Amino acid sequence: AQKITQTQPGMFVQEKEAVTLDCTYDTSDPSYGLFWYKQPSSGEMIFLIYQGSYDQQNATEGRYSLNFQKARKSANLVISASQLGDSAMYFCAMREGQGYSTLTFGKGTMLLVSP
Amino acid sequence: DAMVIQNPRYQVTQFGKPVTLSCSQTLNHNVMYWYQQKSSQAPKLLFHYYDKDFNNEADTPDNFQSRRPNTSFCFLDIRSPGLGDAAMYLCATSRESGMRNIQYFGAGTRLSVL
Repeated sequence: AQKITQTQPGMFVQEKEAVTLDCTYDTSDPSYGLFWYKQPSSGEMIFLIYQGSYDQQNATEGRYSLNFQKARKSANLVISASQLGDSAMYFCAMREGQGYSTLTFGKGTMLLVSP
Repeated sequence: DAMVIQNPRYQVTQFGKPVTLSCSQTLNHNVMYWYQQKSSQAPKLLFHYYDKDFNNEADTPDNFQSRRPNTSFCFLDIRSPGLGDAAMYLCATSRESGMRNIQYFGAGTRLSVL
């Protein structure tokens, strides 16, 4: 079974609107971390936001917020007030356990922001 | 300023000709990772170093090797590149501990094999 599932291959949004990118995960480890990365066409993976499994509040970083629903095992990324520069591939990833460990990535969602 | 630096950004090699990709970091992180990413796919972990300890993923081909001479530098060697090895190669670093333990990526090296 896939550990990280991103069901939306592509999403379209108009500039200034909000968009939600879906991510569900599967783990039996009570301690885990969830990450979202942005990858523009240039190729660099840019860290956006982190949510820990024990965090009581949903993470926010500027225009990015994470809608964390632990019981449903979902960690959706919400981008408010979309900008043209938000057009990119977005990856959800999970780290199981504490300390360093490897990341498992989803297949990604391509977001296109139109004027 | 870039904290994880990959050189070169673009690399062209010939079928079967060894190639080395390099990664350096200014973060003083213990852990360094190498990923392979093919077009429209998720990054696939090849191996990682925890300090000097090398950890190979089970399905990483023997054709891929890595060296980490010191904390700051890590190299990916492809001994005999095949056409299927054309991909983006991403280097990342992280600290050994901490709850967040974010992986920071370089800009990647796009490898073409002719």
